[in-house]
Amino acid sequence: DAGITQSPRHKVTETGTPVTLRCHQTENHRYMYWYRQDPGHGLRLIHYSYGVKDTDKGEVSDGYSVSRSKTEDFLLTLESATSSQTSVYFCAISGGNANTGELFFGEGSRLTVL
Amino acid sequence: AQTVTQSQPEMSVQEAETVTLSCTYDTSESNYYLFWYKQPPSRQMILVIRQEAYKQQNATENRFSVNFQKAAKSFSLKISDSQLGDTAMYFCAFMKYSGGSNYKLTFGKGTLLTVNP
Repeated sequence: DAGITQSPRHKVTETGTPVTLRCHQTENHRYMYWYRQDPGHGLRLIHYSYGVKDTDKGEVSDGYSVSRSKTEDFLLTLESATSSQTSVYFCAISGGNANTGELFFGEGSRLTVL
Repeated sequence: AQTVTQSQPEMSVQEAETVTLSCTYDTSESNYYLFWYKQPPSRQMILVIRQEAYKQQNATENRFSVNFQKAAKSFSLKISDSQLGDTAMYFCAFMKYSGGSNYKLTFGKGTLLTVNP
């Protein structure tokens, strides 16, 4: 299994509070991603990173920010959580090899915003 | 923007039988990759099979094979000799080939496959 750890795995919070999810990898992969999974929507890309301090938006980035200060860590922050951000969040990593394109996923973080 | 469509939200199959999951996609790109990912009830996503668009030969991985129709933009997954452990959500995904920083996957909404004993 790829060395990807997400924390926390479960979190319940209240509307308006800040939340940070952490993704930690031990694979030294260049690319890291945050997806959210919702019933009927599949997986949707929030933000991704292609190197330290290099990030870009995905298709559902509103209300989220990310940071990557070192290769192994990719943080997803909800500045002011809303109920629409209740979801399961997946971190993924990739070596960026165009010959494979394979993503390796973490186990997910379930966030509930009350 | 690319879109990926999985028209079957749920499917079921009897153990040992064969089942085919459908996927279509829309793109103007000529070079890209297609994937099928599996998410068992434990939730961790794993890669099932990958297809490069420039290859005409359909990819196979043991009991899993694809039917890639580039002109029709179709990418179906066939599971032969279905096993109980194949019960999972299956996602079709698209990635356009480009150098630099743009290795992003676009996923379909998924097909929940149940294998019945």
